[in-house]
Amino acid sequence: SQQGEEDPQALSIQEGENATMNCSYKTSINNLQWYRQNSGRGLVHLILIRSNEREKHSGRLRVTLDTSKKSSSLLITASRAADTASYFCATDEKGGGGNKLTFGTGTQLKVEL
Amino acid sequence: NAGVMQNPRHLVRRRGQEARLRCSPMKGHSHVYWYRQLPEEGLKFMVYLQKENIIDESGMPKERFSAEFPKEGPSILRIQQVVRGDSAAYFCASSPLTHPPDTQYFGPGTRLTVL
Repeated sequence: SQQGEEDPQALSIQEGENATMNCSYKTSINNLQWYRQNSGRGLVHLILIRSNEREKHSGRLRVTLDTSKKSSSLLITASRAADTASYFCATDEKGGGGNKLTFGTGTQLKVEL
Repeated sequence: NAGVMQNPRHLVRRRGQEARLRCSPMKGHSHVYWYRQLPEEGLKFMVYLQKENIIDESGMPKERFSAEFPKEGPSILRIQQVVRGDSAAYFCASSPLTHPPDTQYFGPGTRLTVL
């Protein structure tokens, strides 16, 4: 398996519900970032959490980081149809010499009306 | 403040032709990264450049692929003698010169189709 794997691969929920996506990684990191990608489009940066942080909020987004378990979660509260997209976590490996990001395969979220 | 610009957005080439993909980073950003995304997959790192320097090309195929970021002008990813397996979306990202490394901002991508 590769660095930065998301779970589940696909998630379908009703509008208004919360969506939780998880990410696991293998190496020590400087930071972990979550991105959103709408079908056929570029990536939109959502949130960055550093290795010394445990939780971060941005609007309806809440990200947690557990470096002991090498895992992160992204929670989207009160989901909307416009949240339908693929969500990727990306890690910046400590000692990597630059910020080469390693992406997971993503979680496809579908929010239905 | 314009975001990361990439052109063309779509590029169609026949096998054996050359593909040139361009990326202009955000204003004030001195780091450029190229990633490739195959269908239904996540992004894979290819190369990291600063002005006139290749810092990390560990993700670049050994043959046919090259990248540059000249003192003036955009960064260029060049693929020579394209094959069908090169068909993918190629994304460029940029970040400012910060320590520790910070957020990467992505362009809209160039979708390469090799016929």
